Amino acid sequence: HSVLTQPPSASGTPGQRVTISCSGNSFNIGRNTVNWYQQVPGTAPKLLIYSNNRRPSGVPDRFSGSKSGTSASLAIRGLRSEDEADYYCAAWDDSLNGPLFGGGTKLTVL
Amino acid sequence: QVQLQESGPGLVKPSQTLSLTCTVSGDSISSGSYYWSWIRQPPGKGLEWIGFIYYNGSTYYNPSLKSRINISVDTANNQFSLRLNSVTAADTAIYYCFRGEGDYWGQGTLVTVSS
Repeated sequence: HSVLTQPPSASGTPGQRVTISCSGNSFNIGRNTVNWYQQVPGTAPKLLIYSNNRRPSGVPDRFSGSKSGTSASLAIRGLRSEDEADYYCAAWDDSLNGPLFGGGTKLTVL
Repeated sequence: QVQLQESGPGLVKPSQTLSLTCTVSGDSISSGSYYWSWIRQPPGKGLEWIGFIYYNGSTYYNPSLKSRINISVDTANNQFSLRLNSVTAADTAIYYCFRGEGDYWGQGTLVTVSS
């Protein structure tokens, strides 16, 4: 079972809007919802987006998620220095019978 | 406030068994509302799902690890545990436990496999 495909890196300047893509197939993103996690180095991942586009309490509305077909995206608007972190997408995979994670995208705020 | 805390040895010898426990507070595993998972992250790498368990003991394992792992639950102590047999250096990682789809995580524990 391969991971969901994410770009290894992304970057932006403060105030910009950045997007991170996540590509899967019909066994995972194509038929199940997508979650996004933020991981600041040295800490545990934090749930950022669930069910494709829903934010847990406390997550700023600068973060948004979307899904279309077998791909998903995370968008961050009004980029801030504290957004510098690794971002992972995940979706239930019906062949794995468990959650499949993306390889992660390292976001750098320039 | 829900909290999860991993515990166990930080160093395991090759070929031996890695054993970790996740203690849950602020929620009851017995409620049956969530599944309870283990995931790991090799140093500098991405996340790999290991498996999860329900309150009734039903388990789902990553096929790539299935032959070596066992996840069990102790509802009396509100804990669930991971055992990974025949470890090698490739099993060196930070091991996390989390609830459901990841709304609450433990802080993670680094397990190093080395003689």
